[in-house]
Amino acid sequence: NAGVTQTPKFRILKIGQSMTLQCTQDMNHNYMYWYRQDPGMGLKLIYYSVGAGITDKGEVPNGYNVSRSTTEDFPLRLELAAPSQTSVYFCASSYRSSPILNTGELFFGEGSRLTVL
Amino acid sequence: KNQVEQSPQSLIILEGKNCTLQCNYTVSPFSNLRWYKQDTGRGPVSLTIMTFSENTKSNGRYTATLDADTKQSSLHITASQLSDSASYICVVSPQTGANNLFFGTGTRLTVIP
Repeated sequence: NAGVTQTPKFRILKIGQSMTLQCTQDMNHNYMYWYRQDPGMGLKLIYYSVGAGITDKGEVPNGYNVSRSTTEDFPLRLELAAPSQTSVYFCASSYRSSPILNTGELFFGEGSRLTVL
Repeated sequence: KNQVEQSPQSLIILEGKNCTLQCNYTVSPFSNLRWYKQDTGRGPVSLTIMTFSENTKSNGRYTATLDADTKQSSLHITASQLSDSASYICVVSPQTGANNLFFGTGTRLTVIP
């Protein structure tokens, strides 16, 4: 099992450019998440998905979009990149048997470091 | 307001020594608490989960404790090794609205020879 795979690991964007961060998991997890991690701050949830075809906003969704066409893939789209989007992005997945109770372990990718200049 | 606070922010210890990291939370109603280890440049990896009824749980040289009454958890590392150098993140899950996980900002541990 590869676990959660994110690409690219590093990217530099100019202000106003767009890009997609790719995320795929091979553990057949139903839940997938995108977080951003800024220095000195806790991980913040951008978007999440409870299954193929279903996505929802997290705490900081502005400037981002996601899709979940398959169980395995959960790409994050940045439109019109801004310097405030400079961060490290983590994709994660988990298996949850209940939509109410969350005891599932999060499995994270290696992260994608994005710089917007 | 649901919050998770960790202390200290950073810690430097000598190889072979023990240390204890703290996590205080105000998340309510409480479901469970996980400790994750994040090596530099990597994603976090779960070390242990503590549920409401558990007081102590060990994973090798890592021992987590939970006091649900005072809403405090600790992670004790015994006989530290250089490979323990990492950030340790406390994550608390509430019983409801379970897509909300509350993350601490982490404790940066450096083990020096």
